[in-house]
Amino acid sequence: QMQLVESGGGVVQPGKSLRLSCVASGFTFSDYGIHWVRQTPDKGLEWVAVISYDGRNEFYADSAKGRFTISRDNSKNTLYLQMNSLRLEDTAVYYCARDPAGTTIYWYFDLWGRGTLVTVSS
Amino acid sequence: DIQMTQSPPTLSGSVGDRVTITCRASQSIGSWLAWYQQKPGNAPKFLIYKASSLATGAPSRFTGSGSGTEFTLTISSLQPDDIATYYCQQYDKYPYTFGQGTKLEIK
Repeated sequence: QMQLVESGGGVVQPGKSLRLSCVASGFTFSDYGIHWVRQTPDKGLEWVAVISYDGRNEFYADSAKGRFTISRDNSKNTLYLQMNSLRLEDTAVYYCARDPAGTTIYWYFDLWGRGTLVTVSS
Repeated sequence: DIQMTQSPPTLSGSVGDRVTITCRASQSIGSWLAWYQQKPGNAPKFLIYKASSLATGAPSRFTGSGSGTEFTLTISSLQPDDIATYYCQQYDKYPYTFGQGTKLEIK
């Protein structure tokens, strides 16, 4: 059974850092690009970042550039999102989501995790 | 940024009804559109890509159509399991944006 499982969410103060993880199982993790997508009741779904299957290419939404870093460890089937300088507006459920392409990126999502909640609050 | 507007925000139907959700893009996106289904408390589930291609495992009662700026998702015979919020997403141009969702309810 193909699966993505996020962890690492929690309550953090503005300006602090948090690292999210996403562990993949049931498919060959190193064959796929993986995204982070977040969701809030107000703004809905928002794409955050993507990393290519081999980790060589990363792309970010403007809201994440300079503050968030996406990375992966294919030996551990794990994706990460390092979030620094967190803001109130980063409060959201963060999902990891698989891109269906292999060596390219199609920019849509064919498998999602269940999400991890990040709350930025003083 | 490309704005994706879904209508209606809420839709109510009876079991067996044919229901249609509309998604409009603020500029042409070709056929680069996906649809997702999200049940309360769950992650979104992939339904349709390239506007009309059914995802593997998605029920055949779901049909996507459209191109350019106007798209539809149709459920041919509404089932209780279809109660969810549906989202469209354009993947033509960065940033890759979603509609605000259409909540589907059973009468």
